This record gives sequence, structure tokens and C-alpha cells, in this order.
Amino acid sequence: GAVVSQHPSRVICKSGTSVKIECRSLDFQATTMFWYRQFPKQSLMLMATSNEGSKATYEQGVEKDKFLINHASLTLSTLTVTSAHPEDSSFYICSAKTGSGKETQYFGPGTRLLVL
Amino acid sequence: GIQVEQSPPDLILQEGANSTLRCNFSDSVNNLQWFHQNPWGQLINLFYIPSGTKQNGRLSATTVATERYSLLYISSSQTTDSGVYFCAVGSGNTPLVFGKGTRLSVIA
Repeated sequence: GAVVSQHPSRVICKSGTSVKIECRSLDFQATTMFWYRQFPKQSLMLMATSNEGSKATYEQGVEKDKFLINHASLTLSTLTVTSAHPEDSSFYICSAKTGSGKETQYFGPGTRLLVL
Repeated sequence: GIQVEQSPPDLILQEGANSTLRCNFSDSVNNLQWFHQNPWGQLINLFYIPSGTKQNGRLSATTVATERYSLLYISSSQTTDSGVYFCAVGSGNTPLVFGKGTRLSVIA
């Protein structure tokens, strides 16, 4: 149980285009999902917290107009990187809490974004 | 915010050796998780251990919440244990904050 999926697993795009990444909780409902970013050989850095039906909360230094987050249902959150640039190339990982009182966060397999 | 420090940053082991990875954190937590990140980037959840001791095969973990540290033990290491081990902590409803990880290389 508690499986989180992400799609796509990897994407290559041209500079200036927008890329949408989906995060789904497959066998549980997630009232809260989180988006992290990981640059090579570095740790995971939290970008934003996504709550179903409300606006996302962004960490300091993360541009909310560039990284659009939509948590439209209890099983789906999307991250859209708008007007992507090479410096946005990174590994994006989502996670979700089951909301059953346990604090455990379950992580998706990640999406590797390369902007040319 | 809460600070998480992991040590050592890098570790090279001969296959069959044992090791201890440490995680120190700066504030009280009600969530502590250990992860293994494999070469493809997938985070494998090893333990949810805000306090106490747990064991799973060759791995075990102990968290002493009052002293704000956690230890991950790997016994009889195998080459497949290679990768990065992360400790992550959270308090209340806050999301997990990750340490910088320990990069483990197990050589045959």
C-alpha cells in the first residue's frame, strides 16, 4: 500500500516551453502532497506544500508564478514548470501523506527534467 | 527551521563490513524517516522511526528523541547497499526536512 506515482519519469524540452509533471497517490487519498527538487549530488529541497482544494504554500525563494501547483483532487497534484530554462533542469520528486494520522511521507519515483 | 546533519558524508566499505550512519537534528520531531536513494533516484523508505528501535533484515535503526539523534546500522554490507542514505525529519504537520545524506560505496 501507499504507492505514489509520477509521470513522466523523464522529459527533455526546449528552453521557453512549459512542462507538466503529475503526481498520483494510487491506493490512498492524500490531502497533502509535497514537491521537492534535487540537483545532482545534493539533497532534496522542499519547493512547496500542496493541499487539496486550496492554494499551494511555497518555500522561500521558489517562484510561484514559475512553478504552478494544482492539487485538484485527493489523488492528484500537478507541477507545471512554465517557460523552462536550462537552470530548471533537475530531479523533481513528489510525496504524499496518507492523512490517516500517521506522519509517514511516501515518495514518488521522481521526474528527471532536462531543458535544452 | 529545523536543521539536520548527517555523518559521515561519504563512506567506503568492503563487502561484508558493518557500518553506522548518524543523523543529528536540532529540534523535537514527531517524524523521522531513513531513506535509501538508488542510482535511478528512487527513494526507498527504510524506516519510519521517530523514537525507539526497529530492525528489518540486515538494517536496524535507533532514534533517541530526547538527545536528538538517530542511527542507522547496516550489517554484512553488500554491493547492492551502495547509494545515498538520507535522514529526514518533521514536526507537527511540517513536511520532511532532509539532511545532506551519506554516500555509501560497498566494494567487492
